[in-house]
Amino acid sequence: EAGVTQFPSHSVIEKGQTVTLRCDPISGHDNLYWYRRVMGKEIKFLLHFVKESKQDESGMPNNRFLAERTGGTYSTLKVQPAELEDSGVYFCASSWRDGPGDGYTFGSGTRLTVV
Amino acid sequence: SQQGEEDPQALSIQEGENATMNCSYKTSINNLQWYRQNSGRGLVHLILIRSNEREKHSGRLRVTLDTSKKSSSLLITASRAADTASYFCATDAGGSNTGKLIFGQGTTLQVKP
Repeated sequence: EAGVTQFPSHSVIEKGQTVTLRCDPISGHDNLYWYRRVMGKEIKFLLHFVKESKQDESGMPNNRFLAERTGGTYSTLKVQPAELEDSGVYFCASSWRDGPGDGYTFGSGTRLTVV
Repeated sequence: SQQGEEDPQALSIQEGENATMNCSYKTSINNLQWYRQNSGRGLVHLILIRSNEREKHSGRLRVTLDTSKKSSSLLITASRAADTASYFCATDAGGSNTGKLIFGQGTTLQVKP
């Protein structure tokens, strides 16, 4: 089975521009999570979808971040306008049930650099 | 809020040696997981240990969990250069089992050939 796919793998944008990250979860996984790691810091939870609904968005840093999951399949995370502190690696994970079961499957991440 | 803390932050060893990384957390948990991140790549799930387990093995990996001390350790035996990566522990958020993970800052392991 295909894993969790994220693209782009890298993105370099200027401050003030807009960037959209995409995550394709494993087919059939209702749960989709976004995390990010800012340089040198821990990996932090952003939000959790169950199908197309936002179950928990307590980790979203501010209203410049907008996540969607149309039709409960792939998800997008838009940053508009991007700021320097948004630079980091954005990870997506999916699972078929609440909780990790035997562990989550993460994508390879999108490395975002805002200059 | 809960936070996973790992030590050491960085570890450098020779190939063939064992590497031990520790993780501490603050609240009750249902399970604790270890992940690896190779440079420029995604997170790879290594092993999950549940709160009612004390030790778990997977290949060259051995994980222990001490819920009384709120700590876990990851042992990699007979390390290889390919084990060079960052290692993270992650716990479920306050035992809620909703899927939200709290990660530590990670241990960067370098295995010299």
